[in-house]
Parts: sequence; C-alpha cells; structure tokens
Amino acid sequence: GAGVSQSPRYKVAKRGQDVALRCDPISGHVSLFWYQQALGQGPEFLTYFQNEAQLDKSGLPSDRFFAERPEGSVSTLKIQRTQQEDSAVYLCASSLAGTGSSSPLHFGNGTRLTVT
Amino acid sequence: QKEVEQNSGPLSVPEGAIASLNCTYSDRGSQSFFWYRQYSGKSPELIMFIYSNGDKEDGRFTAQLNKASQYVSLLIRDSQPSDSATYLCAVAPRAGTALIFGKGTTLSVSS
Repeated sequence: GAGVSQSPRYKVAKRGQDVALRCDPISGHVSLFWYQQALGQGPEFLTYFQNEAQLDKSGLPSDRFFAERPEGSVSTLKIQRTQQEDSAVYLCASSLAGTGSSSPLHFGNGTRLTVT
Repeated sequence: QKEVEQNSGPLSVPEGAIASLNCTYSDRGSQSFFWYRQYSGKSPELIMFIYSNGDKEDGRFTAQLNKASQYVSLLIRDSQPSDSATYLCAVAPRAGTALIFGKGTTLSVSS
C-alpha cells in the first residue's frame, strides 16, 4: 500500500482482555516505531524495530505490553490483561532508514483503544 | 523536566497573521528536529525538519534552530483557517534513539 496501515481502527476491550494491534509499514521501510498517544498529549515512544530486531523497548509501560516484527515487515503490539489506563491511540510509524537520521517518520491512522 | 517542552496553547491568530510556535529541548546532543501537524482525530504528518543552526524555509513555513539555546521554532506566515491544528515538535536525541515528541501546541486561526 501507499502508506502505513493499522488495524483495527477502533477497539473496545473489557478490562482484563488481551488485545493485538497490527501495523503494516510502507514497503521497504527498515524502521518501525510504536507510540502511545493519550488525549491531549503528544505521542509517547513505546518501542522500535530495525528490520526484525527490536532495538529499543524502553518505552513499554509494563510487562503486559509486548511487540514483535518477526519477518521485518508487519508488526503486532499485544497488550495483555488490559487496564483502563491503557486507553489511548496507538500509533505506528515507519521510516526508510534508522533513527537520528534525515529519514522522517510516516504515521499510520492509529488504533483507538478503549478499555471499559 | 520533560525532554521536549511546548506551550500547549491554544495560540489564536487572525487569518493572514504570522503564527510563532516554540519548542525547547533538554538534550544538548540532539541532532535532528522535526515539526509535525496533527488535525483532530488524525495522525501526525511531517511539515519540516531541520538539522543546522539557522533558518529553513519551505513555502509559508520557516523552521528556526538555535542549538546553543536548545530552542527550535516554527513560523507560519499568512496563516489560514486550514492551519488550525496541533503542532508537535519532535527531537531525535542521538543516533539510534527514537523521536521524542512534545505535548503539542494547538493553533487556532480565525477568519
């Protein structure tokens, strides 16, 4: 596709349920990032992949959060035993090259997660 | 102290005026600086990036960087109502680290 694709667009989960959010980056983009954006806040970094390697997961808020990118393309962010504070928009972004470079991030439309 | 600071606003300017958006960052070794625009309910989209001290112009937009003062700004000339959005400042602290975003400044341009 032409851009970063995320699914589902909206997800409602009961507290305690597990959820899986999918990101399909722009073809050929090496780097993939997950951000969490709460209402009225800027995106907060969660984790970063370069190809299939997860190079930084320092932003994951707890061990309930897990991300993978097994073949260096599609990525899944999994949240186990969801809590109300997990309610946010989860943004995926990809870039052609690595971080700290001239390669800008291209964002998907995000998944809005609501935990009830 | 948050690593990237922005005044959340709202910043209100009349149509045709210059809007000035400001951002400070804490890591003196930061290398790359980006401005993203985010419309309500949409994802961020890149407006400009800047690496070197000074000004960089692109159409109605000018990014300004002062590394000594750890300050980056975005000027929007001839502001239009369609410029009304939240503007996110993002900083790449060092090679190998992800972009850090500010909270964003909400701009409202009235016609």
